Amino acid sequence: EAQVTQNPRYLITVTGKKLTVTCSQNMNHEYMSWYRQDPGLGLRQIYYSMNVEVTDKGDVPEGYKVSRKEKRNFPLILESPSPNQTSLYFCASSLPSAPSGSGYPYNEQFFGPGTRLTVL
Amino acid sequence: KQEVTQIPAALSVPEGENLVLNCSFTDSAIYNLQWFRQDPGKGLTSLLLIQSSQREQTSGRLNASLDKSSGRSTLYIAASQPGDSATYLCAVSLTRGKLIFGQGTELSVKP
Repeated sequence: EAQVTQNPRYLITVTGKKLTVTCSQNMNHEYMSWYRQDPGLGLRQIYYSMNVEVTDKGDVPEGYKVSRKEKRNFPLILESPSPNQTSLYFCASSLPSAPSGSGYPYNEQFFGPGTRLTVL
Repeated sequence: KQEVTQIPAALSVPEGENLVLNCSFTDSAIYNLQWFRQDPGKGLTSLLLIQSSQREQTSGRLNASLDKSSGRSTLYIAASQPGDSATYLCAVSLTRGKLIFGQGTELSVKP
């Protein structure tokens, strides 16, 4: 089954304790991205990656790190989590261009189920 | 800075009604616009993707339009059903990979 998986799905941690949220897709997608969703602020992009070893900042990258060493995985790293990083996190992936070969730069995104993180 | 706004924030309609959800954006230099559906506690499901050169896309009872010059998109849902109840989000792609979301419209379809 084609899917994006995230682990863990739920995590409660304490301030300053490094953590990693994993994201994996089995669709051979080049593009992957991380978002956080907060009440009243909506979904905001943290980081994205157009391909292996290529990453770029989204709108809210502060306090986060990512790596893309292989196509299927795109982990989100919080080196020193703080309470303001308590949020619902989503990973997504897509192909970079339409299947028809039209050359459009971006295709529909497939989202993971989300990771609910609480930092005390 | 690109801003995406969705109106209304919440909408309640009786089953069978046709409805329109609105999305506006401040910068017309977009690659594409995408509509998503989010069910409570779940991830996002892509509904329709409109490329910047297109005017509309259709999928079943859904029709999305795009007017880049005015910075607007609408999602039309025909013959609404209780199963359509969810939050609907629009998102614009500015450059390859960078995505800005609206805050969503929470739709409730009453039987």
